[in-house]
Amino acid sequence: AQSVTQPDIHITVSEGASLELRCNYSYGATPYLFWYVQSPGQGLQLLLKYFSGDTLVQGIKGFEAEFKRSQSSFNLRKPSVHWSDAAEYFCAVGASGSYIPTFGRGTSLIVHP
Amino acid sequence: NAGVTQTPKFQVLKTGQSMTLQCAQDMNHNSMYWYRQDPGMGLRLIYYSASEGTTDKGEVPNGYNVSRLNKREFSLRLESAAPSQTSVYFCASRTGEGSPLHFGNGTRLTVT
Repeated sequence: AQSVTQPDIHITVSEGASLELRCNYSYGATPYLFWYVQSPGQGLQLLLKYFSGDTLVQGIKGFEAEFKRSQSSFNLRKPSVHWSDAAEYFCAVGASGSYIPTFGRGTSLIVHP
Repeated sequence: NAGVTQTPKFQVLKTGQSMTLQCAQDMNHNSMYWYRQDPGMGLRLIYYSASEGTTDKGEVPNGYNVSRLNKREFSLRLESAAPSQTSVYFCASRTGEGSPLHFGNGTRLTVT
């Protein structure tokens, strides 16, 4: 069965600083990988997805993520964080042949002015 | 385009009461899901429906039932609410295997 680990429960950055949120997955074949963002009181919104091909994927709001098969990782990055990026971020993995995507426990991003 | 619509947004129940959470999607998606979100626990799958006419248990199905009424609608029922079911409930849908989920804005349920 697939699993997802987000090692950081909270991350605090200053506005304008760069950001990297970590995600590690466990799955035998090439997975489908996703990053979602959840603002307070809202549902989850898709930031980006990886299915195949180019391992660096671009998403909305200036985010990008890189799939590294050798490290079983799919880390989310942003070069310059804005105060509005403060939210909860979830990594998720889907497997071929499975209807059940698996979510990490989330990383809460706090942005200091 | 409304996407995934959940009703109600908020609900307070007494222990033992029953209620049904409604979910509808207008994207012609095949698969629909119910999750609950609790602090520090992330999202946990309660039930899902891979396609119209099918439903299956997820990680935490006890105390819940579901109905896939048609392709658009997927309801979640609590027959006898318990304080442990206090949570935020999210409905989601997607086209099929490998496609991303689209989420509703959630129902915040408190059981006293």
